[in-house]
Amino acid sequence: NAGVTQTPKFRVLKTGQSMTLLCAQDMNHEYMYWYRQDPGMGLRLIHYSVGEGTTAKGEVPDGYNVSRLKKQNFLLGLESAAPSQTSVYFCASSPAAYNEQFFGPGTRLTVL
Amino acid sequence: AQKVTQAQTEISVVEKEDVTLDCVYETRDTTYYLFWYKQPPSGELVFLIRRNSFDEQNEISGRYSWNFQKSTSSFNFTITASQVVDSAVYFCALSPSYGGSQGNLIFGKGTKLSVKP
Repeated sequence: NAGVTQTPKFRVLKTGQSMTLLCAQDMNHEYMYWYRQDPGMGLRLIHYSVGEGTTAKGEVPDGYNVSRLKKQNFLLGLESAAPSQTSVYFCASSPAAYNEQFFGPGTRLTVL
Repeated sequence: AQKVTQAQTEISVVEKEDVTLDCVYETRDTTYYLFWYKQPPSGELVFLIRRNSFDEQNEISGRYSWNFQKSTSSFNFTITASQVVDSAVYFCALSPSYGGSQGNLIFGKGTKLSVKP
């Protein structure tokens, strides 16, 4: 099992460009989450999903959109990237609420 | 307010010393879950422990132990006889159960532990 994978691992964008980060899990988990990690800030929840076709906002959702068309995939989109979105993005999945979350390796995004 | 405070930003110890990482949380819920994760220099997040609010028993796993005290809203983590491989950032996290939070994690800002040989 690959667990949770994230694509790409690194990306550099210019302000105003768009991109999509892909998270995939092969554990048949219902719950999936997107976090961002900034220096000295810990991880903060962007959006999450409790099942295929459902999404909800987390603590810092502005500037991001998500989709969960397939149970195993959770996509995070940036429509118009801003320098403030420079961060490391982590995806996680969990079989149920309040269980251990399994994290992907992260995507380092730089917006110039 | 739901909040996790890790007051120690950085700790440096010499190998074989014991070290305690502090975690204080705030929640209005009676049912909640607490977690610790480790982030080594390679960057991945490694799950260490989950504890629910009704289980105040201390837990020991090898050199790791956790002390959960509801009276002081603390969930501290102790590493006994630290090793260089313990060098990492350690995050404490809270998962409250209010209003359909769906297991979302509220992280502290982390404590960077450096263990020197």
